Amino acid sequence: EIVLTQSPGTLSLSPGERATLSCRASQTVTNSYVAWYQQKPGQAPSLLIYDAFRRAAGIPDRFSGSGSGTDFSLTISRLEPEDFAVYYCHQYADSSTFGQGTRLEI
Amino acid sequence: QLQLQESGPGLVKPSETLSLTCSVSDTSISSSNYYWGWVRQSPGKGLEWIGSLYYSRSTKYNPSLRSRVTITVDTSKNQLSLALTSVTAADTAVYYCVRQDYYYDTTSYSPGMCDFWGQGTLVTVSS
Repeated sequence: EIVLTQSPGTLSLSPGERATLSCRASQTVTNSYVAWYQQKPGQAPSLLIYDAFRRAAGIPDRFSGSGSGTDFSLTISRLEPEDFAVYYCHQYADSSTFGQGTRLEI
Repeated sequence: QLQLQESGPGLVKPSETLSLTCSVSDTSISSSNYYWGWVRQSPGKGLEWIGSLYYSRSTKYNPSLRSRVTITVDTSKNQLSLALTSVTAADTAVYYCVRQDYYYDTTSYSPGMCDFWGQGTLVTVSS
């Protein structure tokens, strides 16, 4: 099983700042089959990024994904108030596993 | 517009079978080119993929749950079902119905990212 470790556990920033979230895999994720999701309280997760860097439909371009091999990241270039939430990475190259999440707080 | 609606008992006794249904509207499970599956979320284990089905092509399960899980489709009702046997308190979670894209490697289909989620339903395992 590929274990995904996200860091930091909690990230405290202000609106307008840049956020960088990390996701490290215990082994190589083939074809960079990594997705990122945003979850707000009381809601289901929603897809932001897939295949490491492709933005899902309707996702603003302030969200970007990068990485390959075992190291992946999600960057939010300029934080908006609605971006403060929990973010999860997900690999689907070998079965399917999720990271434990990063809480982005104001 | 696509909607996924989970339903089922909110309370299940230990050792019994957890059964949930996902009603899919605005698209046909049997004729779509997607996997349809289940993901659960518990405070202790975070998000956990349970398994997914690509109608008439492929069914995939989480290896850690495979011995207890069955995912099926009722095409007449356009519903996806989940059965999880021999439940314990560790199976207490919010269960989400999801749509997943697919990819094909050299030998088989596999589920990809979860591009659409239902609102989820809380299932508690307790006597």
